[in-house]
Amino acid sequence: AQKITQTQPGMFVQEKEAVTLDCTYDTSDPSYGLFWYKQPSSGEMIFLIYQGSYDQQNATEGRYSLNFQKARKSANLVISASQLGDSAMYFCAMRESSNTGNQFYFGTGTSLTVIP
Amino acid sequence: GAVVSQHPSWVICKSGTSVKIECRSLDFQATTMFWYRQFPKQSLMLMATSNEGSKATYEQGVEKDKFLINHASLTLSTLTVTSAHPEDSSFYICSARDVTVLYSNQPQHFGDGTRLSIL
Repeated sequence: AQKITQTQPGMFVQEKEAVTLDCTYDTSDPSYGLFWYKQPSSGEMIFLIYQGSYDQQNATEGRYSLNFQKARKSANLVISASQLGDSAMYFCAMRESSNTGNQFYFGTGTSLTVIP
Repeated sequence: GAVVSQHPSWVICKSGTSVKIECRSLDFQATTMFWYRQFPKQSLMLMATSNEGSKATYEQGVEKDKFLINHASLTLSTLTVTSAHPEDSSFYICSARDVTVLYSNQPQHFGDGTRLSIL
């Protein structure tokens, strides 16, 4: 089974509107971390937000918030007040602990386009 | 199942040795593979873009002679860290897609990463 699933290959949002990017994950580890990255056309992967599996509250970082629903194993990214500069690829990732150290798993990404 | 296999997942070696990391696409032909290195605060730095049958394109600040990339076939790219030193210790991740444009709607499949520890 896929560890991370992003079902939206492409999304469009009007500038200043909010948008939700979906992410579901699969793990049997009790301790794990969930990440969202932004990949602009330059190719780098910019860390946006992190949610630990034991965190009680949903993570927020500025205009980014993570809608963490543990029972449903979902970790959707919400971007409020979209800006043109938000147009990019967005990747959801999960970190599990293993005997070889932390292991990362990435989704296939969602391409977000912000329309003026 | 995994569509990109990265090997090894963890390697420890002495300073001065060279380490090869393999990235294989399992069920598609990857014309382009990307190599990333993870830095503190979780960001992943793009090191280079590897195109099958041609020289890799390195990002600014990445030493070509230090990080040798070979993309000999449509399913395999290798990253060799030559004369590795402790500062090269990091987490390296490859990704692959079957188109050459980085920014597109085509899915980008990531390997599970390689943790490199140089003593």
